[in-house]
Amino acid sequence: GQQLNQSPQSMFIQEGEDVSMNCTSSSIFNTWLWYKQDPGEGPVLLIALYKAGELTSNGRLTAQFGTTRKDSFLNISASIPSDVGIYFCAGPHNNAGNMLTFGGGTRLMVKP
Amino acid sequence: SQTIHQWPATLVQPVGSPLSLECTVEGTSNPNLYWYRQAAGRGLQLLFYSVGIGQISSEVPQNLSASRPQDRQFILSSKKLLLSDSGFYLCAWSVGWGISYGYTFGSGTRLTVV
Repeated sequence: GQQLNQSPQSMFIQEGEDVSMNCTSSSIFNTWLWYKQDPGEGPVLLIALYKAGELTSNGRLTAQFGTTRKDSFLNISASIPSDVGIYFCAGPHNNAGNMLTFGGGTRLMVKP
Repeated sequence: SQTIHQWPATLVQPVGSPLSLECTVEGTSNPNLYWYRQAAGRGLQLLFYSVGIGQISSEVPQNLSASRPQDRQFILSSKKLLLSDSGFYLCAWSVGWGISYGYTFGSGTRLTVV
């Protein structure tokens, strides 16, 4: 089955720094989704990408749909303490497009 | 607007006791519904999904079961809890398979089996 590999697994950064994380798939995706999970809460959708090469921003967050269609990237600029949480990428579960599969998550910790 | 409710928010249960977690969705009809489990600080493990009343698909064989008695109600159950059932349980819904707009998650139930 398809797998999504996220890296890094965790990051501990200083407030104000930029953050980059990525997600790779074993097969081609037509959609990439990025979620953020605040501590003790359910994940919330941040950005959705539908086209290879697409670059979409949501405030200080920018996500890109990789041109190979097997990867995606999420960048956070000028991190703040409330960016703390787990970031998940997600994509279609299989080539038929049923359901979503989630990456293992990147845990972000921000030091004030 | 659509909302999803999960309860209880936290639960401490002894080993061998039964479990019932409930999830309801408002503001939509015939949603796909999902139960996920998340171990501490880890990824999301899909447990069950449902495309309609009485239709349950299991992704991982385990000590749990799910039921969908009504269109917008999804229940996660166990007859006898194990220590390994501890975790953060998330319910989610989607329009269709959620490929375009993703899943909307509830706020979760933290289950501790002691």
